[in-house]
Amino acid sequence: DLQMTQSPSTLSASIGDRVTITCRASQSIGTLLAWYQQKPGKAPKLLIYSASSLQSGVPSRFSGSGSETEFALSISSLQPDDFASYYCQHYNSYSWTFGLGTKVEIK
Amino acid sequence: EVQLVQSGAEVKKPGESLRISCKGSGYSFGSYLIGWVRQAPGKGLEWMGIIYPGDSDTRYSPSFQGQVTISVDKSISTAYLQWSGLKASDTAMYFCARPYASGSHTPTSIDYWGQGTLVTVSS
Repeated sequence: DLQMTQSPSTLSASIGDRVTITCRASQSIGTLLAWYQQKPGKAPKLLIYSASSLQSGVPSRFSGSGSETEFALSISSLQPDDFASYYCQHYNSYSWTFGLGTKVEIK
Repeated sequence: EVQLVQSGAEVKKPGESLRISCKGSGYSFGSYLIGWVRQAPGKGLEWMGIIYPGDSDTRYSPSFQGQVTISVDKSISTAYLQWSGLKASDTAMYFCARPYASGSHTPTSIDYWGQGTLVTVSS
């Protein structure tokens, strides 16, 4: 079965920092990868689809990169609203696989 | 406006059965996959299964196969997630979600989520 390995599990950073979260697929998935942000008690929100396409309305400080098995989500300058959990997801027609998540905390 | 509205929170005892719902509106319900995602307290997102309302074709994550049943009633634009014998370990928030693209053959990311249904199983 496909596995999505996300790291780190927790990240402590300050306002204005550049942060990067990585996601590794156990087999090649092309660019069928999305990134979501989730805040406590809320549904996830789509940030990036097709590995590097920015969802409409998402600030440009978010960016995605990678293909095949190695992917990354970067936030160029961390803002107070960005402290949240982030998940990568491989999507296929009848199968979704999520990474275990990364919690971005205030240092 | 596309909306997925889920049924309210539930408190159940171990061994009881339960069905929660997810009603879609603002789009052609039968033309889009609907998936279910579990989030245990303090944990991450786990994909449970997915159904195509157009023909009720359903697939389950191996982790949830045989543990839950996913179904739809296309006439009322509603998807369901059902348990026949709840366990304490089923305590979680459950989300329904819809991908961006219509059809069952085009993989796309999840653009729409329900608000979540909290299920608590306790004796």
